[in-house]
Amino acid sequence: EDQVTQSPEALRLQEGESSSLNCSYTVSGLRGLFWYRQDPGKGPEFLFTLYSAGEEKEKERLKATLTKKESFLHITAPKPEDSATYLCAVQSDSWGKFQFGAGTQVVVTP
Amino acid sequence: DTAVSQTPKYLVTQMGNDKSIKCEQNLGHDTMYWYKQDSKKFLKIMFSYNNKELIINETVPNRFSPKSPDKAHLNLHINSLELGDSAVYFCASSQLEGFGANTGELFFGEGSRLTVL
Repeated sequence: EDQVTQSPEALRLQEGESSSLNCSYTVSGLRGLFWYRQDPGKGPEFLFTLYSAGEEKEKERLKATLTKKESFLHITAPKPEDSATYLCAVQSDSWGKFQFGAGTQVVVTP
Repeated sequence: DTAVSQTPKYLVTQMGNDKSIKCEQNLGHDTMYWYKQDSKKFLKIMFSYNNKELIINETVPNRFSPKSPDKAHLNLHINSLELGDSAVYFCASSQLEGFGANTGELFFGEGSRLTVL
């Protein structure tokens, strides 16, 4: 069965203190790896899709990278508005079945 | 204007009752999903419909019955509610680009928090 493990579970950062979140996965055949952001009381919001090892995507202070076994979400010089839970998901099935990790809760303090 | 809307947002009910959650998407997507997020924030897929046809049916008690009257709507009916059914239920939609392909961008509703007492 596909497995997605995210670490750390929680991360507390000072504003401007860069860091990385990890998503390690085990799938039979990766169709895509996805990052989402979830704010309290809201549904997850799509950030990135990565399809193959070596691929990188960037959006503002976020950069996602992918290897054959894991993905990293780098947060550069974070601001308080980057505080959220970041979810990683993989798809190995053609019918859109996404396996989500438990998420990393990020808190950025001024 | 809301892309994926689900009602109600909050639901508090007694054990043994039957309840429904409704979901509508105005994005023109052909695939809709129900996810359950438990207290540990784990999102688990329950069901998925593509053009009104059930394509994903995970190991979910048969007290849960999805219904898709058209491709813009996916409802979830739960019979004989149990304490363990308490969770946030998310509806989502996406577009399948060609047979078997999916961009991976799921659009989620804001969730329906179900509390069973």
